[in-house]
Amino acid sequence: DAEITQSPRHKITETGRQVTLACHQTWNHNNMFWYRQDLGHGLRLIHYSYGVQDTNKGEVSDGYSVSRSNTEDLPLTLESAASSQTSVYFCASSEAGGEDTQYFGPGTRLTVL
Amino acid sequence: QQQVKQSPQSLIVQKGGIPIINCAYENTAFDYFPWYQQFPGKGPALLIAIRPDVSEKKEGRFTISFNKSAKQFSLHIMDSQPGDSATYFCAASIDGAQKLVFGQGTRLTINP
Repeated sequence: DAEITQSPRHKITETGRQVTLACHQTWNHNNMFWYRQDLGHGLRLIHYSYGVQDTNKGEVSDGYSVSRSNTEDLPLTLESAASSQTSVYFCASSEAGGEDTQYFGPGTRLTVL
Repeated sequence: QQQVKQSPQSLIVQKGGIPIINCAYENTAFDYFPWYQQFPGKGPALLIAIRPDVSEKKEGRFTISFNKSAKQFSLHIMDSQPGDSATYFCAASIDGAQKLVFGQGTRLTINP
């Protein structure tokens, strides 16, 4: 069955370190998204991509970057981790021009000490 | 800037009751309004969605009511069960498959 996976599921890092969170989907979806979830804020969009080599900034993109070299993967990089980036991160994908559903991964809980 | 406002933040209902969660949006260009359900430790999953050309949509025990003029929409859960206990998020987008703007979430507890 098609799915979307994230790794690692849990990560603890130190302030100032570079961290990369992986997202891999097997639906062959063109659209991929990264959100962060914080209590009281719901899910907020960090970056998104509508296809290979396409990336766009979302609402809370400062301190994050993404790259899209193939259809299946959209890794999220924290260039220099800050305590304010402690959060749960969700990757999602959807089919461009197809059904409306965005499918979410299981999430990565990141703690920055 | 919060484009989608959700209330209440938490809700406790007895089994069989009808919890109602409300959302209001600002951007009149939104044309797709989904509700997501999230269980602890899991990612959100689409529950039900509506487009503004209809005022109500039902799927099983879940109903979305939509008021375009008021820019509001709500989720009703009929005959609620303890298994419905979860966090619910409303969201909106300009194109269904594209980026979503989420409400703050409602933690729903259904007591047996």
